[in-house]
Amino acid sequence: GQQLNQSPQSMFIQEGEDVSMNCTSSSIFNTWLWYKQDPGEGPVLLIALYKAGELTSNGRLTAQFGITRKDSFLNISASIPSDVGIYFCAGQLTINFGNEKLTFGTGTRLTIIP
Amino acid sequence: GAGVSQSPSNKVTEKGKDVELRCDPISGHTALYWYRQSLGQGLEFLIYFQGNSAPDKSGLPSDRFSAERTGGSVSTLTIQRTQQEDSAVYLCASSANYGYTFGSGTRLTVV
Repeated sequence: GQQLNQSPQSMFIQEGEDVSMNCTSSSIFNTWLWYKQDPGEGPVLLIALYKAGELTSNGRLTAQFGITRKDSFLNISASIPSDVGIYFCAGQLTINFGNEKLTFGTGTRLTIIP
Repeated sequence: GAGVSQSPSNKVTEKGKDVELRCDPISGHTALYWYRQSLGQGLEFLIYFQGNSAPDKSGLPSDRFSAERTGGSVSTLTIQRTQQEDSAVYLCASSANYGYTFGSGTRLTVV
């Protein structure tokens, strides 16, 4: 099935650094979501974006919904050890939940070097 | 329940055997989804339920895969005649008006 292109595939950073990752699609989505997955767990929603151009923050996390509706990025400022994990973007055609599937990105694995 | 519950958490089965994976969604969530996550990969959509009906089953990889949902609640994903390429984590999610809540998944290993 279709997957969104997410980059970078992996990141190795030091604690305190800022992180940026992005997600692109060949088709338009009207909702963009960012998830984090810890080992042995399901993904947990971080941020949801519903409008092209929207910039939304959740603590140290900031995400933007691209103007073209074909991309999104996620920034993490001042990384801490608990930020380690795999980050996934996901797109949906509608803005309503529960009516269609999500299309997921390929994931960005974040590792913090001691 | 408080969260999405999946069982078993781990399943090792012999090639050719049938397996059943269970998902117990959050109470009151009408939508339920099954995804598959192969090692190091993203989530691949399998099937989606609205109530007991499956409007979208386009992601089921073959006719060995089937799923049902009863009483608008519990769902089972059945894989018949398992193959080694079926080895993956099978994730279930449920949804109401906002977002999706995922379970912790069932790790299936076919040996």
